[in-house]
Amino acid sequence: DIQMTQSPSSLSASVGDRVTITCRASQGIRSDLDWFQQKPEKAPKRLIYAVSGLQSGVPSRFSGSGSGTEFTLTISSLQPEDFATYYCLQHNNYPWTFGQGTKVEIK
Amino acid sequence: EVQLVQSGGGLIQPGGSLRLSCAASGFTVSSSYMTWVRQAPGKGLEWVSVIYSGGATHYADSVKGRFTISRDNSRNTLYLQMNSLRAEDTAMYYCAKDGGEARGPLGYWGQGTLVTVSS
Repeated sequence: DIQMTQSPSSLSASVGDRVTITCRASQGIRSDLDWFQQKPEKAPKRLIYAVSGLQSGVPSRFSGSGSGTEFTLTISSLQPEDFATYYCLQHNNYPWTFGQGTKVEIK
Repeated sequence: EVQLVQSGGGLIQPGGSLRLSCAASGFTVSSSYMTWVRQAPGKGLEWVSVIYSGGATHYADSVKGRFTISRDNSRNTLYLQMNSLRAEDTAMYYCAKDGGEARGPLGYWGQGTLVTVSS
C-alpha cells in the first residue's frame, strides 16, 4: 500500500497568513493527488485535483504543487472560513489512501 | 446540478447487515465512477470501494468479502451492501462521484450517513 505522510498534523495561524501543508507518498504517484477540506460535521469538499487543478468555485488563494512523491497545498492568505481539516488523497494505486489530515486552527 | 442524497444508516448489532443508498440526480450513475469513503468518529478519511462505469469494482482489504458495491441504473442509485458488520465498521459513510471534466474520483460528495455497530 502507498503511505501518504501529511505534515504538520496541526497548525495555528492567523488570518492573512500563508499556510503550507505537505504530503509525501511512499512511492511515485504521478499526478494522481487531490486535496480536500473538511469542516466539522460536514462532508469533505475537493479543493485541488491532479496536483494543481483548482476545483470550480474554489478561491484562487488555494493552490497545489509538487511531483513524484512530494506535494504541497498552499493557502496564500488565510481567511476565517479556511479554518478546517485538510486531507490529501492518492488514487494512483489501490487501495487509495488519504493523508492523516492537517487541522488548521486560529492563533 | 449534481446531487447525491444518502440514506440507510443506523444502529446495527455486530454480525448484522445493512444496505446504504446514494440516490443521484443531475448525472447518470452508470456513466460515472462512484466511490464510498468512511470516517470513524474523530478519525481521518478511509477509502472503502469504487465502481467504474464498465462495472469493475475494487475494495479496501478491511471490507473485502464483506461489503459489496453496486448500482441500480433504473433508479440511478449507488449502493453499499455491508454484511458481517464489526464494531470497527462504525463510521460516517460518504458516497462520491468522479469530478467529470475535472479529473479524479471524489469531485462531488453526498451528505453522509452514520453507521453504528454495537450491541
